[in-house]
Amino acid sequence: AQSVTQPDIHITVSEGASLELRCNYSYGATPYLFWYVQSPGQGLQLLLKYFSGDTLVQGIKGFEAEFKRSQSSFNLRKPSVHWSDAAEYFCAVGDSGGYNKLIFGAGTRLAVHP
Amino acid sequence: SAVISQKPSRDICQRGTSLTIQCQVDSQVTMMFWYRQQPGQSLTLIATANQGSEATYESGFVIDKFPISRPNLTFSTLTVSNMSPEDSSIYLCSVEGARTGELFFGEGSRLTVL
Repeated sequence: AQSVTQPDIHITVSEGASLELRCNYSYGATPYLFWYVQSPGQGLQLLLKYFSGDTLVQGIKGFEAEFKRSQSSFNLRKPSVHWSDAAEYFCAVGDSGGYNKLIFGAGTRLAVHP
Repeated sequence: SAVISQKPSRDICQRGTSLTIQCQVDSQVTMMFWYRQQPGQSLTLIATANQGSEATYESGFVIDKFPISRPNLTFSTLTVSNMSPEDSSIYLCSVEGARTGELFFGEGSRLTVL
């Protein structure tokens, strides 16, 4: 069965610093991969997704993620974090190779210091 | 993008009672999904609801506990039956957008069972 691991439960960065959130997945074939953000009291918003092609994908709000098959990873990055980026970030993989039923990681809560 | 409205946004319920959560989408969609987010945890898919057929439940979730209705292409309800404190969670409705692999989520219904 597929699974998603986000090793970091909490991360704190200073505003303006770079950010990398880790995500590892287990799936035999090429997975559908997603990053979502959940701001306090709000629903989930899709940041970006990877289905195939270029392994570096660009998303909204200045985020990008790189798919590395050899490492079974799909880490999320942002070169300069803004205070408004403080939120919970979820990595997800499509269940059984699909893309509309998702298996989510446990999430990483990001705090941003001014 | 799809706009999803959920009601109630939050509720406090007594043990043993049932609560129905409504999900309204501003466009017609084939499949709707119900997720549960337990306190401090990630999202878990409860079931997939197609219009005109019975919902498909994921492992660990049963129709008697979480009956779902899907009367038309823009609306669905999830009922949490015979509630216990362990049912305290955020319940989220999601739908697939017009573009492949883009899931939209409602803001969720935060349920507290005393």
